[in-house]
Amino acid sequence: DADVTQTPRNRITKTGKRIMLECSQTKGHDRMYWYRQDPGLGLQLIYYSFDVKDINKGEISDGYSVSRQAQAKFSLSLESAIPNQTALYFCATSDSRDRGYEQFFGPGTRLTVL
Amino acid sequence: GQSLEQPSEVTAVEGAIVQINCTYQTSGFYGLSWYQQHDGGAPTFLSYNALDGLEETGRFSSFLSRSDSYGYLLLQELQMKDSASYFCAVRGDAYNTDKLIFGTGTRLQVFP
Repeated sequence: DADVTQTPRNRITKTGKRIMLECSQTKGHDRMYWYRQDPGLGLQLIYYSFDVKDINKGEISDGYSVSRQAQAKFSLSLESAIPNQTALYFCATSDSRDRGYEQFFGPGTRLTVL
Repeated sequence: GQSLEQPSEVTAVEGAIVQINCTYQTSGFYGLSWYQQHDGGAPTFLSYNALDGLEETGRFSSFLSRSDSYGYLLLQELQMKDSASYFCAVRGDAYNTDKLIFGTGTRLQVFP
């Protein structure tokens, strides 16, 4: 069951282009996160949202922006993509009311910036 | 600064036991989690320790010592399907309890 979905799954774009990655969830969770994964560097938090009106920067937010359109949707935008933003991007969710320490990850979006 | 250290790679044979260590230095601490990630896949939750001691879930166990800022994941009766990357993650910083700070991961290779 695809509780956390991400679109697109793969994207190739050019330097300077604006790109949006989308995340949707059917788990009813209030908290959503965007992570970036580079080889050998683990997962780095870009932005997180604890509810629709609460958005916070993570460790590496420069060059990124987000929008929490609804409890179930959290989008990540690269306003002007650059090659070093080539990475695997994951969306995740958690439920503050139950096992808030457990995050559920989407399948990931592989982004290549040429 | 905030940092989590774990070995980059561990190898073992089927049926063996392997321990993956994690030491952390973070501004806040509410617990230590472990996630598994197969190549090309998404991270999946394995375990969580908020208090000192050992938590057991089937073949996997996780241990925490808050006084030593140290934890480990113990995998027993290794199977080929356990070949994956394993990440420790500290829950919470000084401002938010549900943020996760991930280590760089340990790649486990299980050989026949």
